[in-house]
Amino acid sequence: DAGITQSPRHKVTETGTPVTLRCHQTENHRYMYWYRQDPGHGLRLIHYSYGVKDTDKGEVSDGYSVSRSKTEDFLLTLESATSSQTSVYFCAISEGGKDEQFFGPGTRLTVL
Amino acid sequence: DAKTTQPPSMDCAEGRAANLPCNHSTISGNEYVYWYRQIHSQGPQYIIHGLKNNETNEMASLIITEDRKSSTLILPHATLRDTAVYYCIVRVRATDSWGKFQFGAGTQVVVTP
Repeated sequence: DAGITQSPRHKVTETGTPVTLRCHQTENHRYMYWYRQDPGHGLRLIHYSYGVKDTDKGEVSDGYSVSRSKTEDFLLTLESATSSQTSVYFCAISEGGKDEQFFGPGTRLTVL
Repeated sequence: DAKTTQPPSMDCAEGRAANLPCNHSTISGNEYVYWYRQIHSQGPQYIIHGLKNNETNEMASLIITEDRKSSTLILPHATLRDTAVYYCIVRVRATDSWGKFQFGAGTQVVVTP
């Protein structure tokens, strides 16, 4: 299995509080992604990164920001969490040339 | 990226081959077929991919029709641990792209004893 960890694995927070999710990889892959998964919507891309300090928006980026200061870490921040951001969040990585994405175990976030 | 169509669900007996169909009639010449699966509460897992030739690895085989408008993922000897949602995805395999994958609803496969 690809070396991808996500932290925390579970989090419960209140509306309006900031939340940061971390994705850490040991594969030295160039590309990293954040997805959210909700019933009836499948997996949707939030943000992605194609290198250190290089990030771009996905299809559902409103309310989220990301940062990548090191190759191995990709942070997803909810500046002011809302109940609509209750979801399971998955991080993924890919080397680029090979293109297959490998996913982390997920973070279950509940916003009350 | 081309759209795919998969049956919403299918059952398979343990020990038998599971054949999962996928239609991608609008596929273009530079688009690959990828298969992923997601076991309940886990992250999606890459299975296999191919362009036009049949492919096989330790997990599965991928059969792509000659016109490339459909494909079949074959799990040769299904086990209970193969119960999962299986996603068929068609996309360009660029050498230097950010690799977005569009996951649809997939096929819920249930392997029964």
